[in-house]
Amino acid sequence: AQSVTQLGSHVSVSEGALVLLRCNYSSSVPPYLFWYVQYPNQGLQLLLKYTTGATLVKGINGFEAEFKKSETSFHLTKPSAHMSDAAEYFCAVSSTGGNAGNMLTFGGGTRLMVKP
Amino acid sequence: DVKVTQSSRYLVKRTGEKVFLECVQDMDHENMFWYRQDPGLGLRLIYFSYDVKMKEKGDIPEGYSVSREKKERFSLILESASTNQTSMYLCAGSGAKVAGLDTQYFGPGTRLTVL
Repeated sequence: AQSVTQLGSHVSVSEGALVLLRCNYSSSVPPYLFWYVQYPNQGLQLLLKYTTGATLVKGINGFEAEFKKSETSFHLTKPSAHMSDAAEYFCAVSSTGGNAGNMLTFGGGTRLMVKP
Repeated sequence: DVKVTQSSRYLVKRTGEKVFLECVQDMDHENMFWYRQDPGLGLRLIYFSYDVKMKEKGDIPEGYSVSREKKERFSLILESASTNQTSMYLCAGSGAKVAGLDTQYFGPGTRLTVL
């Protein structure tokens, strides 16, 4: 079975500071990894995903994440936080096989707060 | 732009009522999913459907059923609502049959309160 752990249910940073949201996964097969963002009163939208190839993945709004197999991690970073980045962020790992190939297992989420 | 819509943003029901949550996607996607979202637990998969009339249980199917009579529509049914089903319900759709090749697109969610 696959699982995802997000360290820190709440993270607070100052505007302009580095954003680091942590995600560790467990998977018995090579994983596909995703970061989604949920703004208040909205559904989830994809920030970025790792499938194969380059381990540093760039996404929307200046976010990027690095797949580190040896550490089973997929941490999300952004060099400089903006007030508009305040949201909840979810890390997810994709199951393989089955009838709906792209099934996702989500972490518990990290709420990012940005202070002026 | 791809679009997934859910019939209600907010819903209040009483214990024991039968509740229908509707989801419609305009992406011609084969796969559709129902999740519930609870604080600290992230999203948990209730049911998914990979084709019309085809469904499979997710991680937490107890107390729920689903219906998919048309490709674009996927309904979640609470046969007899209970207070522990108070939650945010999210619908999603995706087109790929192979993991990692596609994105799940989410609706805005329905916040259900059962009194």
